[in-house]
Amino acid sequence: GQSLEQPSEVTAVEGAIVQINCTYQTSGFYGLSWYQQHDGGAPTFLSYNALDGLEETGRFSSFLSRSDSYGYLLLQELQMKDSASYFCAVVSGGYNKLIFGAGTRLAVHP
Amino acid sequence: DAGVIQSPRHEVTEMGQEVTLRCKPISGHDYLFWYRQTMMRGLELLIYFNNNVPIDDSGMPEDRFSAKMPNASFSTLKIQPSEPRDSAVYFCASTKDSYEQYFGPGTRLTVT
Repeated sequence: GQSLEQPSEVTAVEGAIVQINCTYQTSGFYGLSWYQQHDGGAPTFLSYNALDGLEETGRFSSFLSRSDSYGYLLLQELQMKDSASYFCAVVSGGYNKLIFGAGTRLAVHP
Repeated sequence: DAGVIQSPRHEVTEMGQEVTLRCKPISGHDYLFWYRQTMMRGLELLIYFNNNVPIDDSGMPEDRFSAKMPNASFSTLKIQPSEPRDSAVYFCASTKDSYEQYFGPGTRLTVT
């Protein structure tokens, strides 16, 4: 079967750095994506890692280790607007099929 | 671009009724995905299409659910008959041969 594990909740303060981990078990692994979803909104794409290493996009970075079946999303200089749910998703099989984790709810406090 | 368009945004119906959800993908995108999101089950892929052809419908929960894509700019997800456990937010997403999927605003379905 396929499974992804990520923490259910994370709390941090403005300006801080937070890391959201994701471990996965899947067949036909192509890569790991991250999506952000604000309450009442739609998921929006943040990043995609197909190869091992760190990808940086502004304040957000994403890391993948294929040998460890592990990845993380790193959010720096946290802002109140970063309060949202963050989902890791495995790209499994062909045709861009995504299998989502349960999501991590991030609460950023002043 | 207008983004992915879904209608209706909210639907309240009684158990046993037929429900049809609609989606217009971003122009030029050749992949279309239907997802369902609930607190209990999270975000689940129901079915996806490539060039209007259904590729994988293994996520469709049961025969009450059906999806069609008659052309590149329109898809429907139908539930007949609907049940209270079908209450969820249904998202449509599209992409053009990319790992970045663009989600519509969703349809919040309530079956009483």
